[in-house]
Amino acid sequence: AQSVTQLDSHVSVSEGTPVLLRCNYSSSYSPSLFWYVQHPNKGLQLLLKYTSAATLVKGINGFEAEFKKSETSFHLTKPSAHMSDAAEYFCVVSTTSGTYKYIFGTGTRLKVLA
Amino acid sequence: DTAVSQTPKYLVTQMGNDKSIKCEQNLGHDTMYWYKQDSKKFLKIMFSYNNKELIINETVPNRFSPKSPDKAHLNLHINSLELGDSAVYFCASAGQGGDEQFFGPGTRLTVL
Repeated sequence: AQSVTQLDSHVSVSEGTPVLLRCNYSSSYSPSLFWYVQHPNKGLQLLLKYTSAATLVKGINGFEAEFKKSETSFHLTKPSAHMSDAAEYFCVVSTTSGTYKYIFGTGTRLKVLA
Repeated sequence: DTAVSQTPKYLVTQMGNDKSIKCEQNLGHDTMYWYKQDSKKFLKIMFSYNNKELIINETVPNRFSPKSPDKAHLNLHINSLELGDSAVYFCASAGQGGDEQFFGPGTRLTVL
């Protein structure tokens, strides 16, 4: 069975400093992995996805993530945080055995301090 | 053009009532989903339909009944609403052979 663990429920950074949101996954086969962002009272927006191509994935708004099979990790990073990055971030693994189904992590609330 | 739309955006109702939430996608996708996001922001899949056929049903109480009149629509009907049904419900769709899902804006259901 697949699962995903987001290691931090809350992360605070100062504006202009790097962001690191951690995600570990468990999968019996090569997974598809995603990061979504949810701004307050808004829907879910795809930041980036990994589907067994390049291990370093670039997404929107300067975010990127690196798939590390040996560490079963898919951490999300951004070199310099902006106030508008404050939101809830979800790491997602997709099941691929017949029926695609998303399994969500519990989310990480990113706070950006001025 | 909105890719995945949901109506209504907000729904406030009394316990015991029956209500429906509608979802439509104009992406030409074959598969649609309903997710529930609880008060702690946790998201969990409820149902999935592929081309009007139910393919995922995640031990949801039978008070919840999804209906797909065609592959562009997936509606969620809830009978005898309970306090614990208060949540944000998200609809999503995905194309054939693709595992990227596109989400609607959500419907915030409040049961009083």
